[in-house]
Amino acid sequence: QLQLQESGPGLVKPSETLSLTCTVSGGSISSSSYYWGWIRQPPGKGLEWIGSIYYSGSTYYNPSLKSRVTISVDTSKNQFSLKLSSVTAADTAVYYCARREGGGGMDVWGQGTTVTVSS
Amino acid sequence: EIVLTQSPGTLSLSPGERATLSCRASQSVSSSYLAWYQQKPGQAPRLLIYGASSRATGIPDRFSGSGSGTDFTLTISRLEPEDFAVYYCQQYGSSLTFGPGTKVDIK
Repeated sequence: QLQLQESGPGLVKPSETLSLTCTVSGGSISSSSYYWGWIRQPPGKGLEWIGSIYYSGSTYYNPSLKSRVTISVDTSKNQFSLKLSSVTAADTAVYYCARREGGGGMDVWGQGTTVTVSS
Repeated sequence: EIVLTQSPGTLSLSPGERATLSCRASQSVSSSYLAWYQQKPGQAPRLLIYGASSRATGIPDRFSGSGSGTDFTLTISRLEPEDFAVYYCQQYGSSLTFGPGTKVDIK
């Protein structure tokens, strides 16, 4: 059974870079036709897609965050990562990683990790 | 960017009642690439419906999705106690966006 687990610092200072990793277990991140993505949810608010990386390595980003986001994959570790630069308090949220099959919805999610931006 | 609007914002119903949730897109969603998710407090979202009308694995048949183009509907035929939650629609035909959510609470 495929599982995803987010990891990374829970506290990041303003203007710094937020870095998170999603570890995939029970399956290969190199499996064809899957997108691996990041989604966030500010406290008490809705879901916001940050971006995704396709199994081939192609990346897709939310236009509103594109200038600050980098998503990459490390197939040797079966992980994919998120970097969000120049963070502000508005980036405080629960960050989720998730898998989406081409043509389908996000069917496997991590449990989420809370990131607070504060000095 | 395709903007999704969900209505109503909150739906107050009793167990056993039928719930009808609406999701409207600012432009046509290609290939009916529209999904619905359920989220309970403190939990990650759960995929219910993809491709506008296909139930995800393990989802009870009281959940059904319909629609095409710009208008989509999630129907819960008879609400069970565990169905009271927030529901989000998502389009993935052009980039990817989520709707603001509909909260289904107990009347």
